[in-house]
Amino acid sequence: EPEVTQTPSHQVTQMGQEVILRCVPISNHLYFYWYRQILGQKVEFLVSFYNNEISEKSEIFDDQFSVERPDGSNFTLKIRSTKLEDSAMYFCASKGTSTDTQYFGPGTRLTVL
Amino acid sequence: AQSVAQPEDQVNVAEGNPLTVKCTYSVSGNPYLFWYVQYPNRGLQFLLKYITGDNLVKGSYGFEAEFNKSQTSFHLKKPSALVSDSALYFCAGGSIKAAGNKLTFGGGTRVLVKP
Repeated sequence: EPEVTQTPSHQVTQMGQEVILRCVPISNHLYFYWYRQILGQKVEFLVSFYNNEISEKSEIFDDQFSVERPDGSNFTLKIRSTKLEDSAMYFCASKGTSTDTQYFGPGTRLTVL
Repeated sequence: AQSVAQPEDQVNVAEGNPLTVKCTYSVSGNPYLFWYVQYPNRGLQFLLKYITGDNLVKGSYGFEAEFNKSQTSFHLKKPSALVSDSALYFCAGGSIKAAGNKLTFGGGTRVLVKP
């Protein structure tokens, strides 16, 4: 069964450093999403992406964040200058055009020191 | 603004007993609602959804959920719980008309099924 994959599974970085989290959505899906879950808190929507542009973004998704689909298979989330409060589990999700269901990857745990 | 609430942080149930995990929602327009399950060190796994149609929806692993518009609820149920059902369960919802179809999640309910 096709699934969303994410790399790395765990990323440790120093405050102020740039990180790129990578996702490979399900191959025929066209809608892509990033969510995050700070430890002990709710899963929060960050951004949705369709047709090579952002469809919607939350207040969390400020100028430090960006998304890109650099090729036909990857979908990335970049944080330019990480803060301590960016430490969280980041989930990628994708959705096809014929379904309303978003399928989630296993997540990347980002730890900012 | 849309919101999803799961009033119970944890539900404990004996194996073989019925399991119910509660969820209420506040979504403008017609909602679509989902249940996801998260096992330790794993991602969010889709269980079932309600979009339109029958209020009782059936999903994976014997789970079902009932959409109740008047009570704005979407409770997850399983007639006979298994120890392997122990996990973290998330209810999520969105508006069918919302651009980007973002999901709003509840806080999660930890289910512990005891042998």
